[in-house]
Amino acid sequence: NAGVTQTPKFRVLKTGQSMTLLCAQDMNHEYMYWYRQDPGMGLRLIHYSVGEGTTAKGEVPDGYNVSRLKKQNFLLGLESAAPSQTSVYFCASSWQLGSGSTMDEQYFGPGTRLTVT
Amino acid sequence: GEDVEQSLFLSVREGDSSVINCTYTDSSSTYLYWYKQEPGAGLQLLTYIFSNMDMKQDQRLTVLLNKKDKHLSLRIADTQTGDSAIYFCAERSGLTGGGNKLTFGTGTQLKVEL
Repeated sequence: NAGVTQTPKFRVLKTGQSMTLLCAQDMNHEYMYWYRQDPGMGLRLIHYSVGEGTTAKGEVPDGYNVSRLKKQNFLLGLESAAPSQTSVYFCASSWQLGSGSTMDEQYFGPGTRLTVT
Repeated sequence: GEDVEQSLFLSVREGDSSVINCTYTDSSSTYLYWYKQEPGAGLQLLTYIFSNMDMKQDQRLTVLLNKKDKHLSLRIADTQTGDSAIYFCAERSGLTGGGNKLTFGTGTQLKVEL
């Protein structure tokens, strides 16, 4: 049981290049999330998915696209990378945060450190 | 919208108690959380508290919730060097597309000195 895994761990891109970050979870979770972490700003939600085939925008979706073709995978794409997208990206998953009766822990991956020059 | 604030740094001596504070804005939050992030790693859930509770104790951890002031604190008793990390508080709130999300604070860097 690997939990939440992310690939790659590190990446350096030039401005204008594209890339896809892969998140995989083996816990059969319905919900998956992509966050970015920047110094002094905590974690901000980019996009999320409430189930296979669904995606929705979070707080800071501009410049990113996502897909959830399989329940266990959540992909984050940067079509044309910009220096402002230099950040650490975290993927998370949870069983369900839709119920008010349970606390539903979010499980985080180890992160991808992306630098855009 | 939701906003969660924390102080950025806290330094304590090994064996002392640490208190990390957090304020939040969404009075309808049902759950509030404390996550720990060690260097180079993702976030890991430490503890949580349901909004109808004032206090929760879990071994060396004590969470206090003041709903009137929208203030949450995490006390770590007998702080050890292994407790050095960044601690995030988070509140749960609704998403317009359905379901709920977590809004995280900026994180408090805890440094434990010998």
